[in-house]
Amino acid sequence: EAGVTQSPTHLIKTRGQQATLRCSPISGHTSVYWYQQALGLGLQFLLWYDEGEERNRGNFPPRFSGRQFPNYSSELNVNALELEDSALYLCASSHRTGYQETQYFGPGTRLLVL
Amino acid sequence: AQSVTQLGSHVSVSEGALVLLRCNYSSSVPPYLFWYVQYPNQGLQLLLKYTTGATLVKGINGFEAEFKKSETSFHLTKPSAHMSDAAEYFCAVMREGGSEKLVFGKGTKLTVNP
Repeated sequence: EAGVTQSPTHLIKTRGQQATLRCSPISGHTSVYWYQQALGLGLQFLLWYDEGEERNRGNFPPRFSGRQFPNYSSELNVNALELEDSALYLCASSHRTGYQETQYFGPGTRLLVL
Repeated sequence: AQSVTQLGSHVSVSEGALVLLRCNYSSSVPPYLFWYVQYPNQGLQLLLKYTTGATLVKGINGFEAEFKKSETSFHLTKPSAHMSDAAEYFCAVMREGGSEKLVFGKGTKLTVNP
């Protein structure tokens, strides 16, 4: 069974640009989560999508947004990039069973903002 | 609000020695608890999880953890460290009852010395 996949693996942008990160969940999983892992800040929850809807978001500004497609894959968009957005962005997926859920993580996209 | 504290950002052990990584949580409701491992330049891999039932949980690669409600702890142990165990370990908590965000500790970097 294929795991969670993310693309691209690395992304280099300059301040003010927009970045688009992509995630494909494990087959059969309907929930997708995004986390940011920045140096010194640890792993922080960004967004949760399920069945095409945004269900929850963390303490991030509105320039962090995303969507989930009918095939449950997801995009994370970061507008007006700032230097501090440089981080590893991890996507995870899970079954939306409401019980004993486990989130399975992809390898991440490393974003560097210059 | 839930939180996770991992005591010791760095732990160093000798090969063959006991590994003990500490995790304490705070949660107003019974939590789900997880340990993930992150190898350099990779995503997170689930080691083990506690949801309900037996408080001693066995995971992959010889790791286990014990849920102690009275101590609000979920420490990770392995009887004998291998060089391949060198990685960063994250404890996380999720509230029981459905798809919620994972709240992570700051992580503990494990070094295994020959």
